[in-house]
Amino acid sequence: DAKTTQPPSMDCAEGRAANLPCNHSTISGNEYVYWYRQIHSQGPQYIIHGLKNNETNEMASLIITEDRKSSTLILPHATLRDTAVYYCIVRVAGAAGNKLTFGGGTRVLVKP
Amino acid sequence: EADIYQTPRYLVIGTGKKITLECSQTMGHDKMYWYQQDPGMELHLIHYSYGVNSTEKGDLSSESTVSRIRTEHFPLTLESARPSHTSQYLCASSELGDSYEQYFGPGTRLTVT
Repeated sequence: DAKTTQPPSMDCAEGRAANLPCNHSTISGNEYVYWYRQIHSQGPQYIIHGLKNNETNEMASLIITEDRKSSTLILPHATLRDTAVYYCIVRVAGAAGNKLTFGGGTRVLVKP
Repeated sequence: EADIYQTPRYLVIGTGKKITLECSQTMGHDKMYWYQQDPGMELHLIHYSYGVNSTEKGDLSSESTVSRIRTEHFPLTLESARPSHTSQYLCASSELGDSYEQYFGPGTRLTVT
């Protein structure tokens, strides 16, 4: 499994964009980049995923560098409810259960 | 909203008791998973299933067992609970295939006294 590296924590002002970086320099060509978040005491919530191209949905945007060694999750207008731990995960494709390997994540605190 | 449910949400039980944590999903997903997570720590995969009558052990060794008799149901059982089993247990499901996201239940917080 490709390992990921994220900053342990970051603060963000409410209403501003939050840019969450992730390094995954050993990613393989068939591995996807997934982002999940976990709000305190709840189960993880899927946010977005991508393979090569940038992706956008109603929650966030995902920017993947051309060499795929890093990516950035963008929350365009952070709200207090976006306070959570954000996990960048590289998905193991194939028959091994498609497990999600969660690392330490980035603890994001959105401040008023 | 994901339609995946776990019961009980909280459980405090004495050492040596047998317990079953329930997980059900109404999305028709073939794949289901159990993760274990201690407070503030990483998630660890303990069991997964590709479908009915399929169960596999995950990365983290666990004394628990699972069964998959119905597509929608993936219960986890501890035959004899110990304090070391105290943790949060998270169930998830996904469609078959390499790129589908996993939907998580709210979790069961287990405390063994």
